[in-house]
Parts: sequence; C-alpha cells; structure tokens
Amino acid sequence: RKEVEQDPGPFNVPEGATVAFNCTYSNSASQSFFWYRQDCRKEPKLLMSVYSSGNEDGRFTAQLNRASQYISLLIRDSKLSDSATYLCVVVPGGGSNYKLTFGKGTLLTVNP
Amino acid sequence: NAGVMQNPRHLVRRRGQEARLRCSPMKGHSHVYWYRQLPEEGLKFMVYLQKENIIDESGMPKERFSAEFPKEGPSILRIQQVVRGDSAAYFCASSRKPDNQPQHFGDGTRLSIL
Repeated sequence: RKEVEQDPGPFNVPEGATVAFNCTYSNSASQSFFWYRQDCRKEPKLLMSVYSSGNEDGRFTAQLNRASQYISLLIRDSKLSDSATYLCVVVPGGGSNYKLTFGKGTLLTVNP
Repeated sequence: NAGVMQNPRHLVRRRGQEARLRCSPMKGHSHVYWYRQLPEEGLKFMVYLQKENIIDESGMPKERFSAEFPKEGPSILRIQQVVRGDSAAYFCASSRKPDNQPQHFGDGTRLSIL
C-alpha cells in the first residue's frame, strides 16, 4: 500500500461547481496533514493544514478522519483560478517530522 | 525576492555528465530539504541538511547522488554520471526549524538528460 494515495482524477468541472478530493494514508502514527496546490511546472504551495476538527478557509474545507486514515478537501463555488494539481501531504510522527510525504496529486480543471 | 532561490531553472545534460543544482534557503532558515518529482509522480523526499551536516539522506539513491550545505554558500545537489532516469524536477525547501511547517519551496530545477 502506498504511503499516501489520492483520487487519480483528472477532474473537469464547470465554474461554480463543488468538487471533493479524497486521500488515504498508511502510517497510523502520522502527525500532520496538509493540502498543497501545484500549478503546472511550478513549486508546490501550501493551501491549508488539516485538523481532526475540520477547518475551513473561504471556499475550501478540509477534513481529517484519523480512525479511517482519510483526508478530504472540498472546494465550493469553483473558480477558473482553482485549476491546478492538488497534493495531499502527510508528515510522519517520531523523529521524521520534517519529511513531507506527497501523494501523486489530483488534477483539477475548472472550465468556463 | 527573499524566498528560496534555486538555480538553474532548467538544466540539460548528456548522459554521463555531471549535474549541479543549487539552492539558497530563505533568510534565517538553516534547514534545507531536497525533493525529486519524476514525471507523473509525486514529490519524493531525498535529503535533509543543516549547515555542514547531512541529517537524513534516506531518500537519496545510493550511488551517483550527493548533497552538501556548506557553512558559506548555497546547498548543492550533485548528480554524477547522469542517466535518462535522472530527468525530473528537483525542488528545494527550507525552514527555520525542522518541525516548522510549512516548508517553503523554491521554483525547482528541471533536469533533462539527452
């Protein structure tokens, strides 16, 4: 089982749509969780952290289910500028809390 | 620009040559991380360095790859005798402390092997 697995995508949605991405991780001792976005051939940028209580940032909502080892990202009212690859990122516990573990990413294209 | 600086942005090498990738961390950051992104793959951790020390190189291929972060100057990722499979985007990130998130990423170096 891969350390971090994401929906393979790609997702093609119209502007204004709601889209959800899912991610599972294999290491139950993982401590921190993030969603990054990566625009074509650019560096990954932090979108938001993910907490067990769930957290929201504008149109973006992230959820973490530790029991199921599952992370989600919901984007409401999609904009053209949301088109990017969304990366699920997990940080292991113990002494390797600097080692970001990335999923392969899910490509989102928002169409006019 | 006070962000993480990587150069060159693009590097083309022929098989058997050496590739040197440079990374200057953000001001005030003394922890540097290198990641590799192969085509159609996620980023993979390669190595974690502090000034003059390699802390964790568990993600580095055993041969041909080396990294350093000298007391003065940028961190260097060196690939000797490059092969086609080394073609990838190499990203450097930095942080003030090892458990500091987020890590701040540079623009990456796209390495192409002819």
